[in-house]
Amino acid sequence: SQQGEEDPQALSIQEGENATMNCSYKTSINNLQWYRQNSGRGLVHLILIRSNEREKHSGRLRVTLDTSKKSSSLLITASRAADTASYFCATALTRYSTLTFGKGIMLLVSP
Amino acid sequence: GAVVSQHPSWVICKSGTSVKIECRSLDFQATTMFWYRQFPKQSLMLMATSNEGSKATYEQGVEKDKFLINHASLTLSTLTVTSAHPEDSSFYICSATGQGMDQPQHFGDGTRLSIL
Repeated sequence: SQQGEEDPQALSIQEGENATMNCSYKTSINNLQWYRQNSGRGLVHLILIRSNEREKHSGRLRVTLDTSKKSSSLLITASRAADTASYFCATALTRYSTLTFGKGIMLLVSP
Repeated sequence: GAVVSQHPSWVICKSGTSVKIECRSLDFQATTMFWYRQFPKQSLMLMATSNEGSKATYEQGVEKDKFLINHASLTLSTLTVTSAHPEDSSFYICSATGQGMDQPQHFGDGTRLSIL
C-alpha cells in the first residue's frame, strides 16, 4: 500500500489565496520530500524535511512535519496561476533508501 | 541546479518492437538512477534502482528480462523495453541522485511510450 497519502485529492483556488496540502504516512521515516509535476512532465524537487525537523521554508513554500501524527503539510502562500500542477509527497525510510510517492494532489490556481 | 535529460520524450511504435530510453545527468555525477512508471493521474511506481557499474535492483513484480536497465557510466542510464506490447504503454520517468545522504532526486521530463 502507499506509504504517503495526500489530501485533498484536488484543490481549486483563486490567485493570491493560500493552498494547503496534507500528507500522511504509516511508518517511521528519515525524511519527507515534496515534489511538483506539471502535466506531462517530470517531477521537480521542492523541499526536503528531515525527521528531526518540524518546519522548513523556501520562498513561498512552507513545509511542516509532525512525526507524532505521521503527517506533513505543504503551504503555498500567495498562489499564482503558474503554481497549477500536481504535488506529491514522498517518504524515505532511511537516509539511503528509495522514495515512496503518494498519489498526488492536483492544484488548480485560477487567475 | 542539477539537470537530468531524458530522451526520447515521445515514442510510438508497433507491438513487438524494442524501445530504448536514455537518461543522462548533465551537470553532476549520478551515482544512483531510478526508473519509474506512471499511469494517468496516478502516482509514480518505482520499477528499478541502478547504481553505476552494477546490476539494477528491480522492484517486486517488474520483469528483469522485459525491462533491461544499463547504468554504464556516472552520467547515463538506459531502459530498454523489450518486445513491447500495448500493455507496456505508459509514461516512464527517470531520476538521478548524486553522492551523499538525503540527496533529492532530480527527474527527467519523462518518456510517453505508446505501443500500437
